[in-house]
Amino acid sequence: DTGVSQNPRHKITKRGQNVTFRCDPISEHNRLYWYRQTLGQGPEFLTYFQNEAQLEKSRLLSDRFSAERPKGSFSTLEIQRTEQGDSAMYLCARGYSTTGELFFGEGSRLTVL
Amino acid sequence: QQQVKQSPQSLIVQKGGISIINCAYENTAFDYFPWYQQFPGKGPALLIAIRPDVSEKKEGRFTISFNKSAKQFSLHIMDSQPGDSATYFCAASMVPSNTGNQFYFGTGTSLTVIP
Repeated sequence: DTGVSQNPRHKITKRGQNVTFRCDPISEHNRLYWYRQTLGQGPEFLTYFQNEAQLEKSRLLSDRFSAERPKGSFSTLEIQRTEQGDSAMYLCARGYSTTGELFFGEGSRLTVL
Repeated sequence: QQQVKQSPQSLIVQKGGISIINCAYENTAFDYFPWYQQFPGKGPALLIAIRPDVSEKKEGRFTISFNKSAKQFSLHIMDSQPGDSATYFCAASMVPSNTGNQFYFGTGTSLTVIP
């Protein structure tokens, strides 16, 4: 158990629909990350939060993507007007800025038809 | 530009053999080098990590060898077992960090251990 719970584990949607993923980390980690992983590739950074503040966003995070972390606890990643190219595994991770350890959740797999 | 280059892309090893996966990096500012193990449909799990002040770290059957001058590090899996069949990712980062994009992952190695 990595202390990161993600829901739903798998989402199938039609192109143009909106989807939302949720991440629940155990409480003591103030850093929360979102990564995207496509087949045959390593995880790619999307965005991260320090408590409730979203401090950095990757260029991969287009305007259709939005992430929130209200009250510095759980986080949501919403994708609007999904495209087939959005099909990927979306990974949430908790981590320490001082030690470098990064712990991933099981991921949420998105399939856009 | 790929910050961390990983090889081989795939590896087949007999049960009981040694699996070796290699990674190379360019940025000498990197100071934390973890390896992740990922099973199909699961998230990557932190396996073992090393910092550049040591040349080797061993945890059970898993060993990281680190060559700072060559900017290379490798994962050795001794007595490989079918249960080790998974995809392995190396990564590099700068710690501590004020940036979120601190981890650079390799492209992964698919390991298959044949019984």
